[in-house]
Amino acid sequence: SQQGEEDPQALSIQEGENATMNCSYKTSINNLQWYRQNSGRGLVHLILIRSNEREKHSGRLRVTLDTSKKSSSLLITASRAADTASYFCATGAGSYQLTFGKGTKLSVIP
Amino acid sequence: NAGVTQTPKFRVLKTGQSMTLLCAQDMNHEYMYWYRQDPGMGLRLIHYSVGEGTTAKGEVPDGYNVSRLKKQNFLLGLESAAPSQTSVYFCASNSLGTSADTQYFGPGTRLTVL
Repeated sequence: SQQGEEDPQALSIQEGENATMNCSYKTSINNLQWYRQNSGRGLVHLILIRSNEREKHSGRLRVTLDTSKKSSSLLITASRAADTASYFCATGAGSYQLTFGKGTKLSVIP
Repeated sequence: NAGVTQTPKFRVLKTGQSMTLLCAQDMNHEYMYWYRQDPGMGLRLIHYSVGEGTTAKGEVPDGYNVSRLKKQNFLLGLESAAPSQTSVYFCASNSLGTSADTQYFGPGTRLTVL
């Protein structure tokens, strides 16, 4: 069963705008990761946030985690055409397995 | 350093045919995974391996078999392909296997079963 659910399913913005994607999950987690998938490619890891962290930054990426609401958000600031991709959250509670959401498809229009 | 590679990139099968997908990684990772990605479904774990000679079932293992005879290779087999197995298959690997460990993905194999 799917643990994470991203929202919105699709997002279209102009270059230079900020993009926000949300992920909700159902059970307790230890960690939450965000991945990007360019069309026709494999997934690439973007950022990890642990359950005891509330916010994390990496370059133009900002991730928040609210364990009380079982939700996370990914903010991409000053978006570029190259950010066009699908973004997935992946949750983990124990070892080995990550459970991926269905993804948000982001289109950045030049 | 090629990372994770998958062979083949594309394949078309007829119902009932068999095939093997090969995943190879050159990062000396212990843990390897096979996922399938269907439209609107995200990634679902088929099988995984925690080391050479070991395999375990994931979320959707039915109709698939796997083998990990060498640490660097993880094979996914379809003994009798069905149209429901039309999907994009991704292999991934990591070194620690924990939920905090990055998974490194291959480029995928697009399989169509007619």
